[in-house]
Amino acid sequence: DAMVIQNPRYQVTQFGKPVTLSCSQTLNHNVMYWYQQKSSQAPKLLFHYYDKDFNNEADTPDNFQSRRPNTSFCFLDIRSPGLGDAAMYLCATGGGRASGANVLTFGAGSRLTVL
Amino acid sequence: AQTVTQSQPEMSVQEAETVTLSCTYDTSESDYYLFWYKQPPSRQMILVIRQEAYKQQNATENRFSVNFQKAAKSFSLKISDSQLGDAAMYFCASINNNDMRFGAGTRLTVKP
Repeated sequence: DAMVIQNPRYQVTQFGKPVTLSCSQTLNHNVMYWYQQKSSQAPKLLFHYYDKDFNNEADTPDNFQSRRPNTSFCFLDIRSPGLGDAAMYLCATGGGRASGANVLTFGAGSRLTVL
Repeated sequence: AQTVTQSQPEMSVQEAETVTLSCTYDTSESDYYLFWYKQPPSRQMILVIRQEAYKQQNATENRFSVNFQKAAKSFSLKISDSQLGDAAMYFCASINNNDMRFGAGTRLTVKP
């Protein structure tokens, strides 16, 4: 009965080798978020989509890009991963009436390791 | 953007006892929501409780309740009758206009 699904759960890449993380949702939520979370730290917002409107955080490096081809899917592309990009990447959705206003539903996360 | 501050990096509680986790926030908005999320080790972030800023009544969900002090911009979480399964990182969060921000988190340990 999973509602926000992230793939892969674990990704190992080499320094500088592009990687794509995916997120899909069955909730029909308008908003999709990508957060970066390093060990025992707060999730840091990278960007979010409201429908097709893209909202980038000012301090999100250009190395991070995102695509949302339709309501259900959102992708995080890391063009040239560095060692400092090793983290858990969390996808979340929000804005749906069923979940209550403004409540975010999170996926299980994708853990990225950079060698 | 709003900011959220959690000043307690770690807390511990004896099983069956009560613990309070602190959170303060800063926002210039009048319409916002506050949340406590729980993140167990290596597991998914899940919602514990939420509070609408326009509501004066403190939210309650079973053993979890909040003390919302709007003027002081304070939003603490009280866990009553603590259980071993409550051990996790707890994040306070604030959202306005689809922009959700988290505090640094409080790691809660529950001692048997």
